[in-house]
Amino acid sequence: EIVLTQSPDFQSVTPKEKVTITCRASQSIGSNLHWYQQKPDQSPKLLIKYASQSISGVPSRFSGSGSGTDFTLTINSLETEDAAAYYCHQSKTLPWTFGQGTKVEIK
Amino acid sequence: QLQLQESGPGLVKPSETLSLTCTVSGDSINSRSYYWVWIRQPPGKGLEWIGSVYYSGSTYYNPSLKSRVTVSVDTSKNQFSLKVNSVTAADTAAYYCAANNAGFDYWGQGTLVTVSS
Repeated sequence: EIVLTQSPDFQSVTPKEKVTITCRASQSIGSNLHWYQQKPDQSPKLLIKYASQSISGVPSRFSGSGSGTDFTLTINSLETEDAAAYYCHQSKTLPWTFGQGTKVEIK
Repeated sequence: QLQLQESGPGLVKPSETLSLTCTVSGDSINSRSYYWVWIRQPPGKGLEWIGSVYYSGSTYYNPSLKSRVTVSVDTSKNQFSLKVNSVTAADTAAYYCAANNAGFDYWGQGTLVTVSS
């Protein structure tokens, strides 16, 4: 099973700051890495697919990068509505797995 | 726009079977574009993939749950279903159905299932 480790687990950020979340895979997964946002009491929402591909309707301040084992989700100029948990997910090898999540709080 | 909606009991007794259904609208469940997926999230915890089914009936399960789980598709009703046997308190979670093309592209709103006597 591929283990995904996110860092940090928690981040408290001021609006307009830049946020960087990393996801490291226990083995190479190419670009088969996706990012989700989950706001409180809501279902997760796909933000980025295949490491860096944008999703229609997702604000352009969200971007992804990386390949192999190291990946990054960047939120440029954080807005208050971005307070949420963020998860990475790999679709390279069954069973599909998720990172443990990163909670972003607004200061 | 694809929409998914979970339905089923919110309370299940220990050792019994958890049964949920996901109704798909906005596209046919026979669409070759998607795998149909169940994912769960214990309260305050992270996400766990349970299993996937294709319109043809092909299934894939998480080995951690495989012995207790069945995912199936009913094309006549545009629905797919989840059964988890012999549940314990550890199966208490929000259960989500989703459509998988690239990542998990579309999600239902989720339904909380509590295992308790």
